[in-house]
Amino acid sequence: NAGVMQNPRHLVRRRGQEARLRCSPMKGHSHVYWYRQLPEEGLKFMVYLQKENIIDESGMPKERFSAEFPKEGPSILRIQQVVRGDSAAYFCASAAGRNTGELFFGEGSRLTVL
Amino acid sequence: AQSVSQHNHHVILSEAASLELGCNYSYGGTVNLFWYVQYPGQHLQLLLKYFSGDPLVKGIKGFEAEFIKSKFSFNLRKPSVQWSDTAEYFCAVNANNNDMRFGAGTRLTVKP
Repeated sequence: NAGVMQNPRHLVRRRGQEARLRCSPMKGHSHVYWYRQLPEEGLKFMVYLQKENIIDESGMPKERFSAEFPKEGPSILRIQQVVRGDSAAYFCASAAGRNTGELFFGEGSRLTVL
Repeated sequence: AQSVSQHNHHVILSEAASLELGCNYSYGGTVNLFWYVQYPGQHLQLLLKYFSGDPLVKGIKGFEAEFIKSKFSFNLRKPSVQWSDTAEYFCAVNANNNDMRFGAGTRLTVKP
């Protein structure tokens, strides 16, 4: 599904640096979800946002992680002072509304922390 | 705790074998159920979904799933797998109008 665009596809950071992952939802979608995929652990919900609002961030680590979805532009997942344990694939999904059924996923951003 | 459980982490089958992947959830109330598939190197895409009605749901590529409310299950089946079905399969639940939660995934390897 080319509708949800994520970039960068691959990002390499050294410990202590910042990582910014971007997600442009499908046209007409105003709901964005971020998930983290770790080997053998499947998809873990991180945060759900609508335009300019964080609706549910119950899956976000309390420190170093933040997300936004501004009125204009893509949603951004920001990880400050990255550590090796942050290495994972981060997937963004968009939907037309909350709980409307199908989520449309991007191709993911793979973060590697050296 | 509320969860989505996929008990098989890795399943290896030969072509033409039958497939059943288990999915159990622990949410009560109204649930919407989904199976997503992730082919190697690709994004997740919807395989099938259940909202209401006939508990036997047909999806793409010959897959089907059966919702058994009494067992809190939504197992995925395919009568005869192909090499191209090699992928990771995720069960997901959207319960009581809360946000979607995914199982840990089952990796399916089909040997030609």
